Amino acid sequence: DAGITQSPRYKITETGRQVTLMCHQTWSHSYMFWYRQDLGHGLRLIYYSAAADITDKGEVPDGYVVSRSKTENFPLTLESATRSQTSVYFCATGPGLYEQYFGPGTRLTVT
Amino acid sequence: GENVEQHPSTLSVQEGDSAVIKCTYSDSASNYFPWYKQELGKGPQLIIDIRSNVGEKKDQRIAVTLNKTAKHFSLHITETQPEDSAVYFCAATNALTTDSWGKLQFGAGTQVVVTP
Repeated sequence: DAGITQSPRYKITETGRQVTLMCHQTWSHSYMFWYRQDLGHGLRLIYYSAAADITDKGEVPDGYVVSRSKTENFPLTLESATRSQTSVYFCATGPGLYEQYFGPGTRLTVT
Repeated sequence: GENVEQHPSTLSVQEGDSAVIKCTYSDSASNYFPWYKQELGKGPQLIIDIRSNVGEKKDQRIAVTLNKTAKHFSLHITETQPEDSAVYFCAATNALTTDSWGKLQFGAGTQVVVTP
């Protein structure tokens, strides 16, 4: 039972390229989230989703796009990557209003 | 919006001693306060949480206390062990309003080092 997985775990890309980070959960939880983690800023919410086809912006959504056509998947796309988007990205999921469970993270480097 | 401050940023303790991490929050409407442990190279792991209708919660060697009046909450780890070494994050949110639900505001983290 993998629970929540992210792919790739590591990614290096160039400025201006489109990049998609994948998140998959096996619990059928309604809620899913994307965070970025940077030194000095802690964890910041990028986007979240309350159910399939329902998404909303978090604290730092600029430059990112999400979709959720299936309950178990929540991909995050950087349409035109910038160096400021170099970060560790975490996906999380939760069954309701409270607990959130995090994936292992994707370390993204934009050169 | 909510703002969470966490202290200290680093904490070194001897094995067997207690560790205490404190967080303050700004939004009096916040009612859910989770704590996460993050080991190197891994995602944050929920270790304990508390809701605003409870003042204290314990789970083995870990406890969390909440003071709503002062708007602060603390994580207490007793009888620390080397495997407790990690970064610990506090967070806060109002889990009962659609505007803020899910929008956990995290503290900056505390690096805990337990030396044998």
